[in-house]
Amino acid sequence: GAVVSQHPSWVICKSGTSVKIECRSLDFQATTMFWYRQFPKQSLMLMATSNEGSKATYEQGVEKDKFLINHASLTLSTLTVTSAHPEDSSFYICSARQWGDTEAFFGQGTRLTVV
Amino acid sequence: AQKVTQAQTEISVVEKEDVTLDCVYETRDTTYYLFWYKQPPSGELVFLIRRNSFDEQNEISGRYSWNFQKSTSSFNFTITASQVVDSAVYFCALSDVDRDDKIIFGKGTRLHILP
Repeated sequence: GAVVSQHPSWVICKSGTSVKIECRSLDFQATTMFWYRQFPKQSLMLMATSNEGSKATYEQGVEKDKFLINHASLTLSTLTVTSAHPEDSSFYICSARQWGDTEAFFGQGTRLTVV
Repeated sequence: AQKVTQAQTEISVVEKEDVTLDCVYETRDTTYYLFWYKQPPSGELVFLIRRNSFDEQNEISGRYSWNFQKSTSSFNFTITASQVVDSAVYFCALSDVDRDDKIIFGKGTRLHILP
């Protein structure tokens, strides 16, 4: 199957700072990428959908100014958590899909801890 | 609206027992996909199966089997002769072709296989 790589796997940052998470499709062109957030012992909640070259579409209740998503190339999408606070501590997972394919491939996730 | 319900929050069985994880879904679309994922403690999502809405044939893969019944909107997952390594959280998920193929997850079932 196709490979999606997320970086970093884990990150600790201070409250008030911003942190960027990268999601790369290694062997296919990802026309669409999805970002999920998972709090401890909870399900994966879709945050936003991004199509290459377009603005991301955010799910209801997700602050687009806080969670900046960039999908400028067919192999890379980034999620920037701006002015992070402890309540943003979570597991963030991306998935990627190529045009014409209905299957999405998941990255290994990034565990963010804001102290 | 799309919805995936996994009524079993947590299940514990003794090793070698069979266990069935229930999944009920809701969608208005006629074309959709159903998934099962395994999430071990490491957090990475492990893809288990994808089934499209036009294929109601049951599937068996080793100790795993899936029962898809459109009449009851269910897509249940059975592990036969469970092993300790099967301990994980299992997510059932749904994606609709008409909704950008976003994958929506159920709340997950935490499975404990006791030695």
